Parts: sequence; structure tokens; C-alpha cells
Amino acid sequence: QVQLQESGPGLVKPSQTLSLTCTVSGGSISSGGYYWSWIRQHPGKGLEWIGYIYYSGSTYYNPSLKSRVTISVDTSKNQFSLKLSSVTAADTAVYYCARGAMVRAFYFDYWGQGTLVTVSS
Amino acid sequence: EIVLTQSPGTLSLSPGERATLSCRASQSVSSSYLAWYQQKPGQAPRLLIYGASSRATGIPDRFSGSGSGTDFTLTISRLEPEDFAVYYCQQYGSSHTFGQGTKLEIK
Repeated sequence: QVQLQESGPGLVKPSQTLSLTCTVSGGSISSGGYYWSWIRQHPGKGLEWIGYIYYSGSTYYNPSLKSRVTISVDTSKNQFSLKLSSVTAADTAVYYCARGAMVRAFYFDYWGQGTLVTVSS
Repeated sequence: EIVLTQSPGTLSLSPGERATLSCRASQSVSSSYLAWYQQKPGQAPRLLIYGASSRATGIPDRFSGSGSGTDFTLTISRLEPEDFAVYYCQQYGSSHTFGQGTKLEIK
């Protein structure tokens, strides 16, 4: 059973960089076939895809966030990470990491529990 | 960007009733790339349906998905108490987008 767990600061100051890590267990990022993803949910709102990374390092970002987002992978630790720069209060959200599967379809089949990140001074 | 519009915003039904949730896309979506998720308060979304009509592992057969092009539907044949939650549709075109959600509440 694949499990994902987000970790990182719960409070970030405006204009700084938000950094989160997702640790994957029960499966190897290096095995390929999956897109390791970040998705966020503003308080009381819907879901917004941020981007994902393939084990090879190829990345795909939401065009609306692309200028501020970097996703990286560390296959030796079975982790992938999110950096979001120049944050504002509008970036306050629950951040989820998830596994994206593309097998005749595309869907997010495993999710972390989510971590709330608040942007405030 | 493909915009997904879900309706109704809130659906009030009783256990045992049938629920029909709609997801309409601003342009045609490949059926392969339409999924449905269930989210309960304080929890991560859970995959229900992928490829518009295929149930994910462990999902009861009272959940079914249908549709093509710009109109997709999630149907719950007989509501159980644990089915009351928020439901999201999601598409993959050139990017990924989610609908704004339908809240299914107990009447």
C-alpha cells in the first residue's frame, strides 16, 4: 500500500519561499510510471493542481503558478519536494502530495493527509 | 484552460435515495481523462472513478460514472450515510483542473 506524507513549516512569512517535502513509502518513486504531484486547497475552497515530477526529473507545472514553482525529486530518499517562491496570503492553503497515474487514463490515486501552510507575518 | 462546472452546488437527499451529480466542461474532454473524487471534512480526496466510468479499487458498485465530450455524470444509486461528502470532478487536457465541487448533504 503506497503512502505519502507531507512535511514542512506550517507558517511562512510573506515574500518568502514555501518549502514542503513528500515522503513516499510502500513503493519506489524510481520504479517509474507515475507523476509525483502537488495539489493545494484554499480554506473552504476547491482543489488546484500545482504541478508534478516524473522520476526522471521531468516537470510539469500549472501555467498560473509556473513562474514561482519548483518541484524536485530525490530518488535516494524516495522523496519529492515543492518550492513556491514570493508567497502571499493567497498561498495559504492545505497542500497535498499525491501520486498521478497515467494508464489509459490520468488520475490521482494516492494522496497524503495534507498539511496546512499559513502565510502571515 | 478547460473549466469544469459542477452542478448542483449543494444536493440535499436522504439515505437510500439516488444521487446524480453533473460535471460540465468548457470544451471537450477525453473520457480517458475525467475522474471523480470524494472528500470528507478534514480528509484528503479519495479517487472514486477514473476514465469517466471505471471504479477505483475498493469503490462500491453503487458509484458509477458516465458521459463523454463536455457532459459527465456521477451517480450514487442508493445513498449510504457515509456517502455524504463533497464530490469533485477533475480533467486532464493540457493541464489539470478540478470542478468547484458538489456538496452532498443529508436532507
